[in-house]
Amino acid sequence: AQSVAQPEDQVNVAEGNPLTVKCTYSVSGNPYLFWYVQYPNRGLQFLLKYITGDNLVKGSYGFEAEFNKSQTSFHLKKPSALVSDSALYFCAVRDPYSSASKIIFGSGTRLSIRP
Amino acid sequence: DADVTQTPRNRITKTGKRIMLECSQTKGHDRMYWYRQDPGLGLQLIYYSFDVKDINKGEISDGYSVSRQAQAKFSLSLESAIPNQTALYFCATSDSGTGLNTGELFFGEGSRLTVL
Repeated sequence: AQSVAQPEDQVNVAEGNPLTVKCTYSVSGNPYLFWYVQYPNRGLQFLLKYITGDNLVKGSYGFEAEFNKSQTSFHLKKPSALVSDSALYFCAVRDPYSSASKIIFGSGTRLSIRP
Repeated sequence: DADVTQTPRNRITKTGKRIMLECSQTKGHDRMYWYRQDPGLGLQLIYYSFDVKDINKGEISDGYSVSRQAQAKFSLSLESAIPNQTALYFCATSDSGTGLNTGELFFGEGSRLTVL
């Protein structure tokens, strides 16, 4: 069975510093991996995805994520944090070899960027 | 206009009342989903539908029912609402996730339900 874990409930970073939001997954074979962001009182917005190819994936708002197959991780990163990046971030995984498979979400990590 | 539209956005109701949350989409996707979000619990899948004739239970379907009226419409009902169904509800759509499609989800803005 597929699963995804976000080990940190909250991450606090000073504006201008690099940020990392951690995600590990468990799925047989090669997974599809996603990051979503949720701003207050809004729905989830798609940030980026890893399907295949280059392990470093670039997405919206300057975010990127690195796929590491040996560590089964897909950490979200940004070189220089902005206060406006403060939000709730969800990692998600899908098994692409099953057409009936669904996207499974982690429990979310609240990112707080202080000025 | 939003690709995935949910109505109502906010609703306060009383225990025992029947509630319907509606979702419509203009993405042209076959697959639609209803999720529930509680603080600290992330997203839990209630029901999902891969096409108009296909309805499936998710992780937490008890106390809920759904109707897929058309490809673009998927509604969620609480037949007799109870306070622990107070939550934020999201509708989402996706493509088939096969071939060149990767199946990522597109979400509505959410429906906040409070059951007193």
